[in-house]
Amino acid sequence: EAGVTQFPSHSVIEKGQTVTLRCDPISGHDNLYWYRRVMGKEIKFLLHFVKESKQDESGMPNNRFLAERTGGTYSTLKVQPAELEDSGVYFCASSPPSGSGGANVLTFGAGSRLTVL
Amino acid sequence: LAKTTQPISMDSYEGQEVNITCSHNNIATNDYITWYQQFPSQGPRFIIQGYKTKVTNEVASLFIPADRKSSTLSLPRVSLSDTAVYYCLVGDKYSGAGSYQLTFGKGTKLSVIP
Repeated sequence: EAGVTQFPSHSVIEKGQTVTLRCDPISGHDNLYWYRRVMGKEIKFLLHFVKESKQDESGMPNNRFLAERTGGTYSTLKVQPAELEDSGVYFCASSPPSGSGGANVLTFGAGSRLTVL
Repeated sequence: LAKTTQPISMDSYEGQEVNITCSHNNIATNDYITWYQQFPSQGPRFIIQGYKTKVTNEVASLFIPADRKSSTLSLPRVSLSDTAVYYCLVGDKYSGAGSYQLTFGKGTKLSVIP
Protein backbone atom coordinates (compact mmCIF):
# COMPACT_ATOMS: atom_id res chain seq x y z
CA GLU A 1 0.00 0.00 0.00
CA ALA A 2 1.39 3.39 -0.97
CA GLY A 3 1.82 5.77 1.91
CA VAL A 4 1.20 9.49 2.07
CA THR A 5 3.19 11.20 -0.64
CA GLN A 6 4.29 14.81 -0.54
CA PHE A 7 5.86 16.96 -3.21
CA PRO A 8 8.27 18.68 -3.38
CA SER A 9 10.57 17.31 -0.75
CA HIS A 10 12.34 20.65 -0.55
CA SER A 11 11.59 24.04 -2.01
CA VAL A 12 13.75 27.16 -1.77
CA ILE A 13 12.09 30.43 -2.71
CA GLU A 14 12.57 34.11 -2.10
CA LYS A 15 10.42 36.20 0.13
CA GLY A 16 7.33 37.34 -1.72
CA GLN A 17 7.20 34.37 -4.07
CA THR A 18 4.51 31.75 -4.14
CA VAL A 19 4.88 28.07 -3.37
CA THR A 20 2.41 25.25 -3.70
CA LEU A 21 2.86 22.03 -1.78
CA ARG A 22 1.03 18.88 -2.76
CA CYS A 23 -0.11 15.90 -0.73
CA ASP A 24 -1.45 12.59 -1.98
CA PRO A 25 -3.10 10.73 0.89
CA ILE A 26 -3.56 7.02 1.20
CA SER A 27 -6.35 5.87 -1.10
CA GLY A 28 -9.67 5.72 0.72
CA HIS A 29 -8.61 8.03 3.53
CA ASP A 30 -11.28 10.67 3.82
CA ASN A 31 -9.39 12.58 6.48
CA LEU A 32 -6.46 14.70 5.38
CA TYR A 33 -4.43 16.93 7.68
CA TRP A 34 -1.74 19.54 7.27
CA TYR A 35 0.79 20.16 10.03
CA ARG A 36 4.00 22.14 10.09
CA ARG A 37 7.12 22.57 12.12
CA VAL A 38 8.76 25.94 11.87
CA MET A 39 12.38 26.28 12.90
CA GLY A 40 12.99 25.26 16.49
CA LYS A 41 9.32 24.84 17.28
CA GLU A 42 7.03 21.91 17.79
CA ILE A 43 4.84 20.31 15.17
CA LYS A 44 1.61 22.28 14.93
CA PHE A 45 -1.76 21.51 13.41
CA LEU A 46 -2.85 23.65 10.46
CA LEU A 47 -6.09 22.20 9.14
CA HIS A 48 -8.22 19.15 8.52
CA PHE A 49 -10.21 18.07 5.48
CA VAL A 50 -12.95 15.50 5.42
CA LYS A 51 -13.12 14.58 1.78
CA GLU A 52 -13.23 17.93 -0.01
CA SER A 53 -14.61 19.92 2.92
CA LYS A 54 -12.57 21.88 5.44
CA GLN A 55 -13.53 20.45 8.80
CA ASP A 56 -11.21 22.51 10.95
CA GLU A 57 -8.87 25.26 9.82
CA SER A 58 -8.23 26.78 13.22
CA GLY A 59 -4.48 26.30 12.90
CA MET A 60 -3.98 28.23 9.69
CA PRO A 61 -1.68 31.12 10.60
CA ASN A 62 -3.06 33.79 8.26
CA ASN A 63 -4.70 34.41 4.91
CA ARG A 64 -1.46 33.93 3.01
CA PHE A 65 -2.08 30.22 3.36
CA LEU A 66 -4.69 28.52 1.18
CA ALA A 67 -5.44 24.83 1.29
CA GLU A 68 -7.60 23.00 -1.19
CA ARG A 69 -8.73 19.46 -1.77
CA THR A 70 -10.77 19.49 -4.92
CA GLY A 71 -12.49 16.18 -5.55
CA GLY A 72 -11.55 14.91 -2.15
CA THR A 73 -8.36 13.23 -3.31
CA TYR A 74 -5.05 15.08 -3.25
CA SER A 75 -4.58 18.37 -1.46
CA THR A 76 -2.52 21.46 -2.10
CA LEU A 77 -1.25 24.06 0.32
CA LYS A 78 -0.35 27.37 -1.25
CA VAL A 79 1.65 30.07 0.47
CA GLN A 80 1.30 33.45 -1.22
CA PRO A 81 3.28 35.60 -0.70
CA ALA A 82 5.81 33.64 1.31
CA GLU A 83 7.52 35.28 4.27
CA LEU A 84 10.73 34.34 6.07
CA GLU A 85 8.84 32.97 9.06
CA ASP A 86 7.07 30.44 6.83
CA SER A 87 10.25 28.40 6.55
CA GLY A 88 9.89 24.96 8.03
CA VAL A 89 8.68 21.49 7.28
CA TYR A 90 5.09 20.97 6.19
CA PHE A 91 3.64 17.56 6.93
CA CYS A 92 0.55 16.02 5.46
CA ALA A 93 -1.25 13.15 7.15
CA SER A 94 -4.31 11.07 6.38
CA SER A 95 -6.56 8.65 8.22
CA PRO A 96 -9.51 6.39 7.43
CA PRO A 97 -13.09 7.68 7.59
CA SER A 98 -14.58 8.31 11.03
CA GLY A 99 -16.45 5.28 12.26
CA SER A 100 -14.37 2.84 10.27
CA GLY A 101 -11.84 2.37 13.04
CA GLY A 102 -8.45 3.99 13.03
CA ALA A 103 -9.69 7.47 12.22
CA ASN A 104 -7.57 8.84 15.04
CA VAL A 105 -4.40 7.11 13.84
CA LEU A 106 -2.72 9.42 11.38
CA THR A 107 -0.26 8.31 8.72
CA PHE A 108 2.18 11.08 7.94
CA GLY A 109 4.09 11.85 4.82
CA ALA A 110 7.81 12.62 4.85
CA GLY A 111 7.13 16.33 4.72
CA SER A 112 7.95 19.18 2.38
CA ARG A 113 10.73 21.41 3.55
CA LEU A 114 10.22 25.06 2.69
CA THR A 115 13.06 27.55 2.83
CA VAL A 116 12.20 31.20 2.29
CA LEU A 117 15.20 33.46 1.68
CA LEU B 1 -5.88 19.64 26.18
CA ALA B 2 -3.90 17.48 28.57
CA LYS B 3 -0.28 18.57 28.87
CA THR B 4 2.38 15.90 28.65
CA THR B 5 5.84 15.79 30.17
CA GLN B 6 8.51 13.38 29.00
CA PRO B 7 12.31 13.24 29.14
CA ILE B 8 14.12 15.42 26.64
CA SER B 9 16.59 12.69 25.74
CA MET B 10 17.72 9.17 26.60
CA ASP B 11 20.66 7.01 25.65
CA SER B 12 20.64 3.23 25.53
CA TYR B 13 22.93 0.46 24.38
CA GLU B 14 21.86 -1.91 21.68
CA GLY B 15 19.93 -4.91 22.90
CA GLN B 16 18.60 -3.24 26.01
CA GLU B 17 14.99 -2.61 26.87
CA VAL B 18 14.07 1.06 26.86
CA ASN B 19 11.25 2.53 28.87
CA ILE B 20 10.09 6.08 28.22
CA THR B 21 7.64 7.48 30.73
CA CYS B 22 5.22 10.27 30.00
CA SER B 23 3.29 12.23 32.62
CA HIS B 24 -0.19 13.49 31.84
CA ASN B 25 -1.77 14.53 35.12
CA ASN B 26 -4.72 16.29 33.52
CA ILE B 27 -5.82 13.48 31.26
CA ALA B 28 -9.56 13.52 30.61
CA THR B 29 -11.89 10.55 30.87
CA ASN B 30 -12.29 10.19 27.11
CA ASP B 31 -8.64 10.73 26.22
CA TYR B 32 -6.52 8.04 24.63
CA ILE B 33 -2.73 7.89 24.93
CA THR B 34 -0.85 7.65 21.66
CA TRP B 35 2.85 7.38 20.88
CA TYR B 36 4.48 8.39 17.64
CA GLN B 37 8.05 7.88 16.45
CA GLN B 38 9.90 10.23 14.15
CA PHE B 39 13.14 9.61 12.29
CA PRO B 40 15.16 12.49 10.82
CA SER B 41 13.72 13.80 7.56
CA GLN B 42 10.55 11.76 7.98
CA GLY B 43 7.08 12.38 9.29
CA PRO B 44 5.88 11.01 12.62
CA ARG B 45 4.90 7.35 12.56
CA PHE B 46 2.23 5.81 14.78
CA ILE B 47 3.60 3.25 17.23
CA ILE B 48 0.92 2.36 19.73
CA GLN B 49 -2.23 3.60 21.38
CA GLY B 50 -4.02 2.69 24.58
CA TYR B 51 -6.63 3.74 27.08
CA LYS B 52 -5.78 1.74 30.19
CA THR B 53 -3.77 -1.25 31.45
CA LYS B 54 -1.38 -2.73 28.92
CA VAL B 55 -1.28 -2.79 25.16
CA THR B 56 1.26 -4.71 23.13
CA ASN B 57 1.94 -4.88 19.42
CA GLU B 58 4.80 -6.07 17.27
CA VAL B 59 6.79 -2.91 17.91
CA ALA B 60 6.26 -1.90 21.54
CA SER B 61 4.28 -2.20 24.73
CA LEU B 62 2.36 0.54 26.46
CA PHE B 63 1.79 0.39 30.19
CA ILE B 64 -0.89 2.59 31.71
CA PRO B 65 -1.55 2.56 35.46
CA ALA B 66 -5.04 2.65 36.88
CA ASP B 67 -5.03 6.41 37.48
CA ARG B 68 -3.90 7.03 33.87
CA LYS B 69 -1.81 10.01 34.96
CA SER B 70 1.24 8.54 33.29
CA SER B 71 2.16 5.98 30.70
CA THR B 72 5.31 4.09 29.78
CA LEU B 73 6.38 3.14 26.31
CA SER B 74 8.54 0.04 26.36
CA LEU B 75 10.79 -0.87 23.45
CA PRO B 76 12.24 -4.38 23.77
CA ARG B 77 15.86 -4.98 22.77
CA VAL B 78 16.48 -1.75 20.90
CA SER B 79 18.70 -1.57 17.86
CA LEU B 80 20.51 1.32 16.21
CA SER B 81 17.52 1.81 13.92
CA ASP B 82 15.36 2.72 16.91
CA THR B 83 17.25 5.98 17.28
CA ALA B 84 14.49 8.56 16.85
CA VAL B 85 12.31 11.08 18.63
CA TYR B 86 9.35 9.58 20.48
CA TYR B 87 6.23 11.65 21.11
CA CYS B 88 3.60 11.01 23.74
CA LEU B 89 0.24 12.52 22.83
CA VAL B 90 -2.86 12.70 24.96
CA GLY B 91 -6.30 14.08 24.37
CA ASP B 92 -6.52 14.80 20.66
CA LYS B 93 -8.73 17.80 20.22
CA TYR B 94 -11.99 16.47 18.95
CA SER B 95 -14.23 18.96 17.23
CA GLY B 96 -17.69 18.22 16.03
CA ALA B 97 -17.72 15.58 13.35
CA GLY B 98 -14.22 14.48 14.16
CA SER B 99 -11.03 16.46 13.85
CA TYR B 100 -8.12 14.71 15.51
CA GLN B 101 -5.92 17.68 16.11
CA LEU B 102 -2.77 16.14 17.48
CA THR B 103 -0.77 18.23 19.93
CA PHE B 104 2.91 17.44 19.72
CA GLY B 105 5.33 18.33 22.48
CA LYS B 106 9.09 18.28 22.22
CA GLY B 107 9.30 14.51 22.45
CA THR B 108 12.08 12.30 23.79
CA LYS B 109 15.17 11.92 21.65
CA LEU B 110 16.35 8.32 22.01
CA SER B 111 19.90 7.56 20.96
CA VAL B 112 20.87 3.90 20.70
CA ILE B 113 24.58 3.30 21.12
CA PRO B 114 26.47 0.32 19.66
